[in-house]
Amino acid sequence: QSALTQPASVSGSPGQSITISCTGTSSDVGGYNYVSWYQHHPGKAPKLMIYEVSHRPSGVPDRFSGSKSGNTASLTISGLQAEDEADYYCCSYTSSSTLYVFGTGTTASVL
Amino acid sequence: EAQLLESGGGLVQPGGSLRLSCEATGFTLSSDAMSWVRQAPGKGLEWVSIISSTGTNTYYADSVKGRFTISRDNPANTLYLQMNSLRADDTALYYCAKTISRRFVSWGQGTLVTVSS
Repeated sequence: QSALTQPASVSGSPGQSITISCTGTSSDVGGYNYVSWYQHHPGKAPKLMIYEVSHRPSGVPDRFSGSKSGNTASLTISGLQAEDEADYYCCSYTSSSTLYVFGTGTTASVL
Repeated sequence: EAQLLESGGGLVQPGGSLRLSCEATGFTLSSDAMSWVRQAPGKGLEWVSIISSTGTNTYYADSVKGRFTISRDNPANTLYLQMNSLRADDTALYYCAKTISRRFVSWGQGTLVTVSS
């Protein structure tokens, strides 16, 4: 099971929007609505930001949104803030014997 | 506040064994499935294993199948990962995560495992 493909880095100015893509196959992203996104500040515990493609857990700002089209899921951060600077990982449930696959990870930078 | 605290990491030689623990505080571990996820140095996250709330069902990534065993002691509110036949590519920060409906809802800070001679 190969990792889902994400861009290595994305950046934007404060207040702008950025979108992180997550490309898989019909056996994972395209086959299930169990795509989740995690924010990871190095040295800290990862944090769930989006689940089931587009749902936000309580406490996550509505600046974070998720979507999916075919085999590609996306995370959009609107109104970018300095605290959003972190690594972001997508994750999908899969039909393979390895039940979950993460993305390669994206470093989001606020210019 | 719900917290997860991993322990048991350290330096081990190739072929050796190690048992990781994950203690839950502020919530009852027995309510939910639990997973282990790892991150090798400079790499991304990799799912390792999951165990159902009762411990009846367990699943593993192909990369650790046959070498790692996940278990839980619900009365002790603790999750375990027994790691045998360790290899250099098992070197990673290991996180435990509360798993609900195919998402990892809360994570610990991780415990570092280094496999080296």
